[in-house]
Amino acid sequence: KAGVTQTPRYLIKTRGQQVTLSCSPISGHRSVSWYQQTPGQGLQFLFEYFSETQRNKGNFPGRFSGRQFSNSRSEMNVSTLELGDSALYLCASSSRTSYNEQFFGPGTRLTVL
Amino acid sequence: QKEVEQDPGPLSVPEGAIVSLNCTYSNSAFQYFMWYRQYSRKGPELLMYTYSSGNKEDGRFTAQVDKSSKYISLFIRDSQPSDSATYLCAMSMNRDDKIIFGKGTRLHILP
Repeated sequence: KAGVTQTPRYLIKTRGQQVTLSCSPISGHRSVSWYQQTPGQGLQFLFEYFSETQRNKGNFPGRFSGRQFSNSRSEMNVSTLELGDSALYLCASSSRTSYNEQFFGPGTRLTVL
Repeated sequence: QKEVEQDPGPLSVPEGAIVSLNCTYSNSAFQYFMWYRQYSRKGPELLMYTYSSGNKEDGRFTAQVDKSSKYISLFIRDSQPSDSATYLCAMSMNRDDKIIFGKGTRLHILP
């Protein structure tokens, strides 16, 4: 079974730009969660989508948004990028019956200059 | 007080030793407890998943939860250099609730 895939793997942007990251979950998984990982704050929950609906949300500003498509693929968008948005963005998928058992992708490393 | 506290390390132990990794938490409503392993430049990988208090064993790994003390542990027996990674504890209140992660402990197993 193929794992969680994320594209692109690396991204360099400048302040003020916007960025879209993509995540394809494990086949059959309908829940996709997004996390931001930085050395200072660790792994922080952004939001979770299940069946195209946002089910949980973390404490991030509205510049961070996401969506999920009918095939469970998910995208995350960050608008008006700030230097502090530089981080590893991870997505994780899980099945409906076992949400807590999350399978992570390799992440997208975003650098904001 | 942070919801989940985890010593960042690094923790260096010789090959073959027993490793003990720990987390404390403040929210007594947490019921589901997980341990993830993260290698450099990779996403976290689920190692252990437990519900409520007690022990769970899987090969060389044992997870222990003490809800009365709000303390969870991961023990690694017969540690190997390939166990060198960052270990993150994680927990949630309900099965569908968001997961809160510790910041991770960097572990080095010395050959």
